[in-house]
Amino acid sequence: QQPVQSPQAVILREGEDAVINCSSSKALYSVHWYRQKHGEAPVFLMILLKGGEQKGHEKISASFNEKKQQSSLYLTASQLSYSGTYFCGTWGLGANNLFFGTGTRLTVIP
Amino acid sequence: AAGVIQSPRHLIKEKRETATLKCYPIPRHDTVYWYQQGPGQDPQFLISFYEKMQSDKGSIPDRFSAQQFSDYHSELNMSSLELGDSALYFCASSPGLAGEQEETQYFGPGTRLLVL
Repeated sequence: QQPVQSPQAVILREGEDAVINCSSSKALYSVHWYRQKHGEAPVFLMILLKGGEQKGHEKISASFNEKKQQSSLYLTASQLSYSGTYFCGTWGLGANNLFFGTGTRLTVIP
Repeated sequence: AAGVIQSPRHLIKEKRETATLKCYPIPRHDTVYWYQQGPGQDPQFLISFYEKMQSDKGSIPDRFSAQQFSDYHSELNMSSLELGDSALYFCASSPGLAGEQEETQYFGPGTRLLVL
């Protein structure tokens, strides 16, 4: 049930944009996005719900295609602080817990 | 704002020993989740509690047990520790106002367990 993320890693210069994709083999109720810096706790970014409601971060946006069971996270005008590993977490229909994706390591360089 | 508190932050144990990890959720959060994260891996769900009752169980070994107490704090008890148990253990909490699938999980700072 683990969702697959792509790319596995990406390097950006400050100010560049990035897209991180998350794909599940199961029908989804919600997708949760987190950023984790090395050795620290995952920090909530955004949650997308079945039916289109979106809650979360002001500088980062995301989309959720329920039919394709996919979500994408859009990072625009990246800052050094955006560096970290991004995880999507998917909550499948009928599931009782969150499954985290394979992770995308994003590095922003000056 | 208050966050999730975990203790201890670091723990070193020998094989076959036992360990107890504690989690204090954000005030008024009644749902607690435990995750295990190995080096370079994603967090793996272990177990969750809602209103002091076990809500769901994931890939938690039989050697591990957990409970949520009347004050909503939770403890993860780990026995017969193995080298492979070395990992970061996170606790997360959510308010329990809506369905779990709609709620943000707020993660604590984690307990780094090293088994020698």
